[in-house]
Amino acid sequence: DAGVIQSPRHEVTEMGQEVTLRCKPISGHNSLFWYRQTMMRGLELLIYFNNNVPIDDSGMPEDRFSAKMPNASFSTLKIQPSEPRDSAVYFCASSSRTGSYNSPLHFGNGTRLTVT
Amino acid sequence: GQQLNQSPQSMFIQEGEDVSMNCTSSSIFNTWLWYKQDPGEGPVLLIALYKAGELTSNGRLTAQFGITRKDSFLNISASIPSDVGIYFCAGLSGGSQGNLIFGKGTKLSVKP
Repeated sequence: DAGVIQSPRHEVTEMGQEVTLRCKPISGHNSLFWYRQTMMRGLELLIYFNNNVPIDDSGMPEDRFSAKMPNASFSTLKIQPSEPRDSAVYFCASSSRTGSYNSPLHFGNGTRLTVT
Repeated sequence: GQQLNQSPQSMFIQEGEDVSMNCTSSSIFNTWLWYKQDPGEGPVLLIALYKAGELTSNGRLTAQFGITRKDSFLNISASIPSDVGIYFCAGLSGGSQGNLIFGKGTKLSVKP
């Protein structure tokens, strides 16, 4: 089984540029999560979707951040305009929810974003 | 908000030694998860615990869900060099995985 697939693996951009991170969840999983990992703050949940619908975006730091899930097999996280403090590793994770049971999260290998 | 205190933050051990790390919280959780993250990769699930008191093994790894539901530990027996990495605990208190809280991690380094 293919795991969660993220692209690109690395992104280096200049401040002010738009950045788009992509994620393909595990087939059959109906929940998708975007996390950000930094040394200072560890893993932080940015937003998550159930059945392609955003459920909680309270972790999104600012209006510069937006996420979409147009279908069950694809999601994007966009930062516009990017700032140096956005530099971090961004992880996508997916899980399946059946009734009240949630399977544990499966993570992708992340996108390392550097904003200069 | 809820927080997990994971300790130790880092540890150096001799190959072959046993390792123990734990997570505590002031809040009650109904699920505890342990993940390992290798450099340049995402966290990978090691063990999931769903019941207070539950003791579960995965090879040389053993984890327990504390009776009080406020703590969990992970033991690694007879450590080997490939055990190097960062280990994260995560706790879930509600039905939604959006409520999953992660510890700050324990960085394990093994001296060959």
